[in-house]
Amino acid sequence: DTGVSQDPRHKITKRGQNVTFRCDPISEHNRLYWYRQTLGQGPEFLTYFQNEAQLEKSRLLSDRFSAERPKGSFSTLEIQRTEQGDSAMYLCASKRLQGAGRGNTEAFFGQGTRLTVV
Amino acid sequence: TQLLEQSPQFLSIQEGENLTVYCNSSSVFSSLQWYRQEPGEGPVLLVTVVTGGEVKKLKRLTFQFGDARKDSSLHITAAQTGDTGLYLCAGASGGSNYKLTFGKGTLLTVNP
Repeated sequence: DTGVSQDPRHKITKRGQNVTFRCDPISEHNRLYWYRQTLGQGPEFLTYFQNEAQLEKSRLLSDRFSAERPKGSFSTLEIQRTEQGDSAMYLCASKRLQGAGRGNTEAFFGQGTRLTVV
Repeated sequence: TQLLEQSPQFLSIQEGENLTVYCNSSSVFSSLQWYRQEPGEGPVLLVTVVTGGEVKKLKRLTFQFGDARKDSSLHITAAQTGDTGLYLCAGASGGSNYKLTFGKGTLLTVNP
């Protein structure tokens, strides 16, 4: 399977603990996005990378959140000192950004990591 | 801030019925994508519409992009139980600043 892969699929943690999620994008996709989805809502943008550079961060991404994509391939999203409000599905998506005038390719999502903070 | 409003929020129908769900915005998008999401899974891309007035068909699903590229609709003919899921529309800002803005979705239940 060459789709976007996320690990773990499920994570239950106690409030105050740190958690880290991993996303492996589709090979050769230079753009990688993180979204968060709570119950009854659509996915909300958190941040995105082009290769290893983090180009934009949403205001939703508090200072307890940090994302990295050190080699421009896989990415990690870490949440420090988790709170119950962090419970959500964390989604990763990737796409290939084409050059100017070549149109836009589509973004594909992974299966998500479901975080429950107890 | 670009917002996408989807309606209805919930829809429960019998197998064999037709339905239409809507996605509306006050903003113009360079493209609009429809996804279907099942519980505990990530969204799966159904279609991308790019040109104002564009109509795309995917078997029993018909997608339309409004002339002004601010709204879209999804019509399902003869719904099946396998169509059950959360239907999300997402507008894409264009160019190098590509980013998707999602609506809250329409939760469709097709009953046998």
